[in-house]
This record gives sequence, structure tokens and C-alpha cells, in this order.
Amino acid sequence: AQSVAQPEDQVNVAEGNPLTVKCTYSVSGNPYLFWYVQYPNRGLQFLLKYITGDNLVKGSYGFEAEFNKSQTSFHLKKPSALVSDSALYFCAVANSGAGSYQLTFGKGTKLSVIP
Amino acid sequence: KAGVTQTPRYLIKTRGQQVTLSCSPISGHRSVSWYQQTPGQGLQFLFEYFSETQRNKGNFPGRFSGRQFSNSRSEMNVSTLELGDSALYLCASSAPGQGHTIYFGEGSWLTVV
Repeated sequence: AQSVAQPEDQVNVAEGNPLTVKCTYSVSGNPYLFWYVQYPNRGLQFLLKYITGDNLVKGSYGFEAEFNKSQTSFHLKKPSALVSDSALYFCAVANSGAGSYQLTFGKGTKLSVIP
Repeated sequence: KAGVTQTPRYLIKTRGQQVTLSCSPISGHRSVSWYQQTPGQGLQFLFEYFSETQRNKGNFPGRFSGRQFSNSRSEMNVSTLELGDSALYLCASSAPGQGHTIYFGEGSWLTVV
């Protein structure tokens, strides 16, 4: 079985400050890790993913994430937050060896960027 | 390239009725998966279809079913609706070679009254 934990229901950050949204995972085998963002009344938008290689992954809108195998973490980061970054962020994991494209999602973290 | 298209976007049904939701994947994508999103349970996997075959199924009762057509379009059906089925139903599509990346549609908001 695979699982994802997002320990913070909400993260508040001032505009212009760096932001971090935390994620830890559990999966048998090698993980594929993802971050998605959801704006109100919308579907989920893909931000970035880790499959293999460099532990620092860069994605859309200036976001990046750092894969840490020993800590089984995949934290989302951005150097300078924008008010428009305020949204719901989901971390997800898939088993790279699975024949299905099923993703397991965390509960989500609401990011509020304060002007 | 057009994204994943889901219809209808909003619908209201009465308990005991059934509902069918439709999803058109991104052109060239042969995998379609469905997720249910609720405030209490978050995002839960319903099922995945690939080339008209159900490849994986989540832990939902048999009232939830789906199918995929030869053009990769997919439908999901919920019979004998319950109040607890009120949710955002999200469809996602994917293609081989994209590292399990799935792309979501805008969702279908179902309210059961």
C-alpha cells in the first residue's frame, strides 16, 4: 500500500517570502512523486514531478520540490510567494513498478499568501 | 491540444436516482482514471481504464461503475444515489511514457438531495 502525509492543513506566508509545503510518502519500490494545485471550483493542475535523477525538481510558476529518499519527503518550495499562489496544494505518489497510473493523494494543504 | 473535458459540470440529483458522467481525455491518451473529491475524505481513486479495460479499481461499492469506449472516452455511473455521494468527480487522462503523470479535467459537481 502507498500513502502520503501532508502534515499541515494550512500554511500562511507573507507575499515575497519563501514558502514550503511539506509532504512525506510511503511506497513499496521506487516512487514517482507529484505536486498538483487546485484553485477554487477547478480541477487539479499538474505542477511538477520526480521520477529519477536530480533530487531538485523544477516545475511551473517558479515552484520546485526537493526529493529526499532517506527522509521519504518531497517538499514543495518557492523562493518568493505571490498572492496568486494562494490555493490548495496536493502531494501524490505512485509506484513506478505498477502497471496502473493510480495516484495516491495527500489530504491537501491550503496555502494563503498574505499581501 | 485540448485538455480533459468533463460533462456535465454541475448537476443535482435526488436520492435513489442514478447519474452518468462523461469524460473526453486529451487526444492520444488511452488511460482514463476517475477520482472522487469530498471535504471529509479528500481525493479517492475510483477506477482506471486503459484501452477499454478496467485496469484498477478503488474501494468503492458496486454502485459505482465505469466504462471506456474505443475512442478512449469514458463514462462513470453511480446508481441508487445516496446523500454521501455528493462530491466533485474528477476525470484524468494519461499516456504511456509520461511517468504516471495524469492530467485532470475541471470536474463534475454532483449534489444529491
